[in-house]
Amino acid sequence: ETGVTQTPRHLVMGMTNKKSLKCEQHLGHNAMYWYKQSAKKPLELMFVYSLEERVENNSVPSRFSPECPNSSHLFLHLHTLQPEDSALYLCASSQQGNQPQHFGDGTRLSIL
Amino acid sequence: GEDVEQSLFLSVREGDSSVINCTYTDSSSTYLYWYKQEPGAGLQLLTYIFSNMDMKQDQRLTVLLNKKDKHLSLRIADTQTGDSAIYFCAETVSGGYNKLIFGAGTRLAVHP
Repeated sequence: ETGVTQTPRHLVMGMTNKKSLKCEQHLGHNAMYWYKQSAKKPLELMFVYSLEERVENNSVPSRFSPECPNSSHLFLHLHTLQPEDSALYLCASSQQGNQPQHFGDGTRLSIL
Repeated sequence: GEDVEQSLFLSVREGDSSVINCTYTDSSSTYLYWYKQEPGAGLQLLTYIFSNMDMKQDQRLTVLLNKKDKHLSLRIADTQTGDSAIYFCAETVSGGYNKLIFGAGTRLAVHP
C-alpha cells in the first residue's frame, strides 16, 4: 500500500527519549487515524483527525501527542514512554463519511 | 457495547476453500470490512460490503452477510500459500466519523 507512507519503519528508544512518528498520505483523503497494534490485542484506535481537527482522543496517555499540520500529514510525538508502549503503530486515512480506511505499513516501536 | 469476534486460527490445505467467520454487535453498521495483514506489513483492504447487501463476490473472494444474525463471512476459493496472513473483520459504528471496530484477527495458515 504505497498510498500511505509511514516513517521510520522501526524505532528503538529509551524511556527518556523524545521521538516522532510520521505518516503521509497521497490519496487525497481528508481524515487520518493513529492505531496501536499490540500482540494478542485487537487494534486500538488512538486518535482521529477529520479536516485537520482532532475528533477523537481515545483515552490515550499524554505521553502520546498527535499533530496534523495539513490533510496529508500526521505525526505522533512520543516522550517518556513506558515498556508497555512497545507495539506496531499504524496510520490510516480515508475520505469523510463511510469510506474505507487505507493503512500504512506501520512503525514498529520498541521501548528499552 | 461494540464488539467484533472472530476465531483466532484456521488451517487449510492449498487448493481448498477457506471460510473465515465474524460476528458483530452494532446493528446500525453501514459497512463491514475485511482486511488482510501479512508479516511486517500494515492492513490491506481486501473487500467490504454495504449492509443492505447479502453477498459480494470479487474474484476468489466471496463475502456473505447475515444481518439478522449479525454474521459476516469471507470465503477464499482455491486458497494459495500467498493467502497465509491474519484476516481482520471490522464494522463501522455511528459516531460522526468513519469509526471502525476491529476483531482480534484470524490467522490463516495454508499448508501443502
